[in-house]
Amino acid sequence: GENVEQHPSTLSVQEGDSAVIKCTYSDSASNYFPWYKQELGKRPQLIIDIRSNVGEKKDQRIAVTLNKTAKHFSLHITETQPEDSAVYFCARGTGGAGSYQLTFGKGTKLSVIP
Amino acid sequence: ETGVTQTPRHLVMGMTNKKSLKCEQHLGHNAMYWYKQSAKKPLELMFVYSLEERVENNSVPSRFSPECPNSSHLFLHLHTLQPEDSALYLCASSQDKRYTGELFFGEGSRLTVL
Repeated sequence: GENVEQHPSTLSVQEGDSAVIKCTYSDSASNYFPWYKQELGKRPQLIIDIRSNVGEKKDQRIAVTLNKTAKHFSLHITETQPEDSAVYFCARGTGGAGSYQLTFGKGTKLSVIP
Repeated sequence: ETGVTQTPRHLVMGMTNKKSLKCEQHLGHNAMYWYKQSAKKPLELMFVYSLEERVENNSVPSRFSPECPNSSHLFLHLHTLQPEDSALYLCASSQDKRYTGELFFGEGSRLTVL
């Protein structure tokens, strides 16, 4: 699949501040955008996802926004806590025959400083 | 046990060895995956199995050989590996092979090839 560019690669924020991670893609047929969180030494886990017919989705302190025109989507974490420290991966997927896979970004290592 | 379990968690092997990684899922899912996770690189999909049939093979070298004897078990057989194959190998499962399904990952097998 098409590449996904993810920025920044590392991010440090003070506890209580907000964190924003952005991903861009090039395949205009992309219509599914999940975010996975991987804590140190643990497995990646889905935290939120969005489909192309929606511009924004929220789940408590986490939100994802999608700009299909500009082909980018972002993860927003508000009121960050130390337990938010992890590597976050964005991904994109495209419908159609044989589309079994997601294309992942390289990840963003978020450190929340107490 | 629940979820997706992988064994061994750590493996060190020489370039001439033959070893296998094992994955087992207790979620009743129909699709299983092998991903390779290397430092500072995106998660790379290697193989996809749907109802025990391989449906995706992302140009993976033949020194990696998958096996799916039933919908709950997935193996990755390794032989004559190269040092660049050192990485974290993640197994995942999902309800079915659709790209919009949540991936449930195991904790990975850390492979070091000497």
